Order: sequence, then C-alpha cells, then structure tokens
Amino acid sequence: AAGVIQSPRHLIKEKRETATLKCYPIPRHDTVYWYQQGPGQDPQFLISFYEKMQSDKGSIPDRFSAQQFSDYHSELNMSSLELGDSALYFCASSTRTSGHEQYFGPGTRLTVT
Amino acid sequence: QKEVEQNSGPLSVPEGAIASLNCTYSDRGSQSFFWYRQYSGKSPELIMSIYSNGDKEDGRFTAQLNKASQYVSLLIRDSQPSDSATYLCAAISSGSARQLTFGSGTQLTVLP
Repeated sequence: AAGVIQSPRHLIKEKRETATLKCYPIPRHDTVYWYQQGPGQDPQFLISFYEKMQSDKGSIPDRFSAQQFSDYHSELNMSSLELGDSALYFCASSTRTSGHEQYFGPGTRLTVT
Repeated sequence: QKEVEQNSGPLSVPEGAIASLNCTYSDRGSQSFFWYRQYSGKSPELIMSIYSNGDKEDGRFTAQLNKASQYVSLLIRDSQPSDSATYLCAAISSGSARQLTFGSGTQLTVLP
C-alpha cells in the first residue's frame, strides 16, 4: 500500500538559512498534518490542511509557513533557521472516512549548524 | 500537566510475557485514541485506534478504553524482542481540528 512520502530525508543547514520540506500524502487522503519531534520528546503538532485549506495551527513559529497544493502535496517552509530547529519533521495524512487515523511519513531529519 | 500522560518507564518484560502500557488523558471531551510504536530515529507507526469504551483486539494487541476513568491501555501478548520500542499514546482532543496530542511515550524492552 502507498505510504506518505517525505523529502528530503536528511537536511543540513546553517543558522539563518532557509529550508523547504516536502510531503506527499497517501492517495485520496484529505488531511495533511506536520509535526516536529525534538530529541527525546514526543511529536508536537505544527499545522494541518484539509482539502488544501489550512485547518488548524499549533506551536508553529512565525518563521515557518506551510501550504498545500492542488495535487495535495504540502510544503513546510522554514526561514531564519535556529539551532533549536534541529529536529525530526514528520508529515502525516488521514481521511475522515477512516476515523482520522493518521499515518506518518518517514520524516525529515533537519540539522542546523 | 500534559493533556496525555504516560508512565515513561522504561518497562522491561521477558519474551513471551504480556506487556501492559497505560495512558490517562485530561480532556473529557476527547473521542479518539491511538497507540503508535516508534523505533529510535524512525516515524511513529499506528498500531491501534479505539473510539468506544471496552476492548479492541488486533492480533497480539488489545487496546482498552474507559472514558469514565479517562484511561487508555495497550496490552501486548506474547511479547517479542522486536516489540522493543517506544509506545506513544495519542488523543484527538475536543474542539481540535483532529491533530494528535501525544503522551511522552513508554519505552518497552522485551528481553530474550
């Protein structure tokens, strides 16, 4: 079965640089979520999109923005990167018809130096 | 206080034993609950979802929900070394747009 695809899998950036993470949800899933997981922490919700419209915002810094495109893929844009942004970034997708079960992609490991 | 609380462990059980993982939540309006397994450096993998009071079984896994006590549990029967991972309890809170709120996770080690 098709899974959530994320790219790149690893990314190394310097402070104050920008980064763009991409997510391709499971086909026919209508909702995309972004989560950030720091070392030794549980995943924290950043932002979600339902049918290409932003549906909810969590603890997403103002330096971050995201959007969902007509083909349902989503991008998380991160600017003015800080050392504390180093984390695993997961994308998940779900559909209302499956009880909102969220399936996670493999993640992007971002390292800011 | 976190909205979803788990015993952080670590929890160690011998191979073949039953592992019992527990979770409590504070939002009484929460309706949907999930257990995820996460290996170190990997993404969370959905194991079980449960929405109504009682037990739900899937293979070696049984999830239990008690909304009156605001309690969710996961039982793993015939534990295998490959079950060694961090288990995350998650809930969709009332009023949210379906984002998950996670507990801190319980680290399980199954000893051969």
